[in-house]
Amino acid sequence: EAGVVQSPRYKIIEKKQPVAFWCNPISGHNTLYWYRQNLGQGPELLIRYENEEAVDDSQLPKDRFSAERLKGVDSTLKIQPAELGDSAVYLCASSLDLGRNTEAFFGQGTRLTVV
Amino acid sequence: SQQGEEDPQALSIQEGENATMNCSYKTSINNLQWYRQNSGRGLVHLILIRSNEREKHSGRLRVTLDTSKKSSSLLITASRAADTASYFCATDSNTPLVFGKGTRLSVIA
Repeated sequence: EAGVVQSPRYKIIEKKQPVAFWCNPISGHNTLYWYRQNLGQGPELLIRYENEEAVDDSQLPKDRFSAERLKGVDSTLKIQPAELGDSAVYLCASSLDLGRNTEAFFGQGTRLTVV
Repeated sequence: SQQGEEDPQALSIQEGENATMNCSYKTSINNLQWYRQNSGRGLVHLILIRSNEREKHSGRLRVTLDTSKKSSSLLITASRAADTASYFCATDSNTPLVFGKGTRLSVIA
């Protein structure tokens, strides 16, 4: 069974440019998470989806970040415009239910460098 | 915001020794999970302990949970060089999967 697939693995962009990340969760997983991880830190939740509904986006900087999960399957995370401080690894994870008492499966992440 | 806080931040041991990492958190939880992250890779789930459980084992891993102290510990016995990684605890309370900053474990062969 394929795991959580993220693309691209690496992205280098200039500041003020837009960037998008894509995530394909494990088939059948209704919960999808986007995290941002800075170097030497733990993952910080940006947004959590239950099917196609964003149920927790309190940490998403809405002035420049947006996300969608069409048909409750794949998801995209967009930054426009990117800032130097957005350089980080963006991780996608999925789980079978709310995540309570079940494990989450993570993709390999997208490493974003903003120059 | 991060609820869990791991201690120590970094740990270096010899192969064959045991490694103990601790996690403290602030609010009541439904469960607590431990994850491992190798350099440049995604996180891998290790073990989940429910709030009504006190101890759990999985292979060379032993996790304890003390809800009165709001703390958990992860013990890795007979460590191997391949155990070198960062270890994170993640709490499930009002928001599921809130991660701490992690403990960086180095196992020296």
